[in-house]
Amino acid sequence: GAGVSQSPRYKVAKRGQDVALRCDPISGHVSLFWYQQALGQGPEFLTYFQNEAQLDKSGLPSDRFFAERPEGSVSTLKIQRTQQEDSAVYLCASGRPLKGQFFGPGTRLTVL
Amino acid sequence: GQQVMQIPQYQHVQEGEDFTTYCNSSTTLSNIQWYKQRPGGHPVFLIQLVKSGEVKKQKRLTFQFGEAKKNSSLHITATQTTDVGTYFCAGAYNNNDMRFGAGTRLTVKP
Repeated sequence: GAGVSQSPRYKVAKRGQDVALRCDPISGHVSLFWYQQALGQGPEFLTYFQNEAQLDKSGLPSDRFFAERPEGSVSTLKIQRTQQEDSAVYLCASGRPLKGQFFGPGTRLTVL
Repeated sequence: GQQVMQIPQYQHVQEGEDFTTYCNSSTTLSNIQWYKQRPGGHPVFLIQLVKSGEVKKQKRLTFQFGEAKKNSSLHITATQTTDVGTYFCAGAYNNNDMRFGAGTRLTVKP
């Protein structure tokens, strides 16, 4: 595709609800990253995939957060039992080694 | 843990003035990347530095990677209003784990 796409672009959830955020990376990109970005802050690393393997999930803030990339392309970030502090923009980025990352437009999650 | 510190947090300049943002890591980086994020947008990749002491230029932008691969800078010469945005550095520690700085928000007065 032309770039990284993410859906939905906006999500409003009630506290306690589960959400699933989708990322379609650029075709052929091996690396896929998820970040959480709060207003006025830099992106905070959540997790990293190389193809279908989740090589690093050290940034996931709690066990309510789960990410997968079963076929090495599309990835889903799932948040269970959402809390208000989960409200943020969730960014997905894909790339090739040492070639930088290309970010999607993000999903703005608001938890009420 | 591994952190990338970035200063200043904000910079307001008159159009035509120069601008510099600095990043520093407590531990050696494998590489460092720079991104620009416009208000309401997503980070856009600018450049990657890999070698110790590396200097790269993109028109009015000059990027440097320190000799110890722990610090980096981005310098913009003669800023223009189109340079407005937040500039982030992102340090890679093992080619997988990326740590972004908090960003420097640049505003330019015409």
